[in-house]
Amino acid sequence: NAGVTQTPKFQVLKTGQSMTLQCAQDMNHEYMSWYRQDPGMGLRLIHYSVGAGITDQGEVPNGYNVSRSTTEDFPLRLLSAAPSQTSVYFCASSLVLGSVTQYFGPGTRLLVL
Amino acid sequence: EDKVVQSPLSLVVHEGDTVTLNCSYEVTNFRSLLWYKQEKKAPTFLFMLTSSGIEKKSGRLSSILDKKELFSILNITATQTGDSAVYLCAVGRSGNTPLVFGKGTRLSVIA
Repeated sequence: NAGVTQTPKFQVLKTGQSMTLQCAQDMNHEYMSWYRQDPGMGLRLIHYSVGAGITDQGEVPNGYNVSRSTTEDFPLRLLSAAPSQTSVYFCASSLVLGSVTQYFGPGTRLLVL
Repeated sequence: EDKVVQSPLSLVVHEGDTVTLNCSYEVTNFRSLLWYKQEKKAPTFLFMLTSSGIEKKSGRLSSILDKKELFSILNITATQTGDSAVYLCAVGRSGNTPLVFGKGTRLSVIA
C-alpha cells in the first residue's frame, strides 16, 4: 500500500492563478479530508468527504473547491490563488469519519506570491 | 462551538526529563480523543482514547483520558532529542463530523 499520496510536494503560484492539489489513497477509505496548517494555527479543516459524490465544508472553505468522483481521489482546487493561501496542505483519509485513526499524506507546501 | 485546547503551546526540556502535555476539550457528542506526533512532515498517530481512566502506553509515551473533567494528558518519560516535535490532540465526535484539532504543543528536547 502506498497509503495517502499527495502531489505536488511544493508549488509556487502567482496571485490569481488556479491550480489543483492532488490526493489519492489506496486503502479503500470512505472518509477523506483536506487541512491547511499555518504557524500557530494548528490544523484547520478545509473540506471533507464521507464517500464518493459527497463533500462538505470544513472550518475554512472559502477559496477552495473539492470533488470526489472516486473513492480513491480527492483533489483540492484553488480557484484564484491569494497570498493568504500560502500554507502547508495535508490530505488525510480514514475508514470511518471522526473517531478512528486518520492517515495523513506527506503534505504540499504552497507559496502564493 | 466545539473546541480543543492544548497547553502549553511550547515547551523546552533537557534530555532525560519527564514532560506532561495537556489537552482539554469542549465538544458535543464526544466519541474519542487522539494524539498525533508531527515532526517535519505529516502527523503520525500515537494513541486513541475512548474510555476514562485506562492508560494507553507505548514505550516511554503514555496517555490517559478523563471524560468527567474533559481532558487528556500525554506523558513522555526520559525524553530524548528525537521526541522533539509538535504534538497534536484531536477529538472525534459521533455522527458524520470531522475531527476537531487543537493547535498543538511544540516540544523541544535539548541535549
